[in-house]
Amino acid sequence: EDQVTQSPEALRLQEGESSSLNCSYTVSGLRGLFWYRQDPGKGPEFLFTLYSAGEEKEKERLKATLTKKESFLHITAPKPEDSATYLCAVLRGSQGNLIFGKGTKLSVKP
Amino acid sequence: SQTIHQWPATLVQPVGSPLSLECTVEGTSNPNLYWYRQAAGRGLQLLFYSVGIGQISSEVPQNLSASRPQDRQFILSSKKLLLSDSGFYLCAWGANYGYTFGSGTRLTVV
Repeated sequence: EDQVTQSPEALRLQEGESSSLNCSYTVSGLRGLFWYRQDPGKGPEFLFTLYSAGEEKEKERLKATLTKKESFLHITAPKPEDSATYLCAVLRGSQGNLIFGKGTKLSVKP
Repeated sequence: SQTIHQWPATLVQPVGSPLSLECTVEGTSNPNLYWYRQAAGRGLQLLFYSVGIGQISSEVPQNLSASRPQDRQFILSSKKLLLSDSGFYLCAWGANYGYTFGSGTRLTVV
């Protein structure tokens, strides 16, 4: 069964304290792995798409990497405005359906 | 550019009442459209997807139905709401390079 597991469920950091979020997945025939940011009461906001092992993408303080079994979202020197829930999802099937993990809630304190 | 509109933003409905949530997309034609539900403590769950007018696929058996009467319109409905239908409902349109989500509807069934 296709599955996406994110860890930790919650992460509290001090401003400037770098860390990583993990997304492990089991899916037959990965067609893409997606990272989203979701603020409370809002829809998810697209961050990155990764397609193959070894691929990396960066945006400001965020960097996403992909291996054959997991993806990491690295946050360098985070700021309070980076506080949000970060969602990981994998693309499966010919119809392009995304399967989501439960997310990691990140809190960055000043 | 593509935009997605979803309404209403919040809704409080009594048990047994009907439901209709609407989603429209602008700036693209023949999009793949999706309805997701996000319940507390759970990840985003795919409810329905559609690859064209009148074409609806259901991912899970439930008290809900979906329709696509026009190319860029996707409707989520229920004849009689249950308490368990409460949650945050998200519409999305997607391609292999990413999904764009609407702002969501917070449904509370009382």
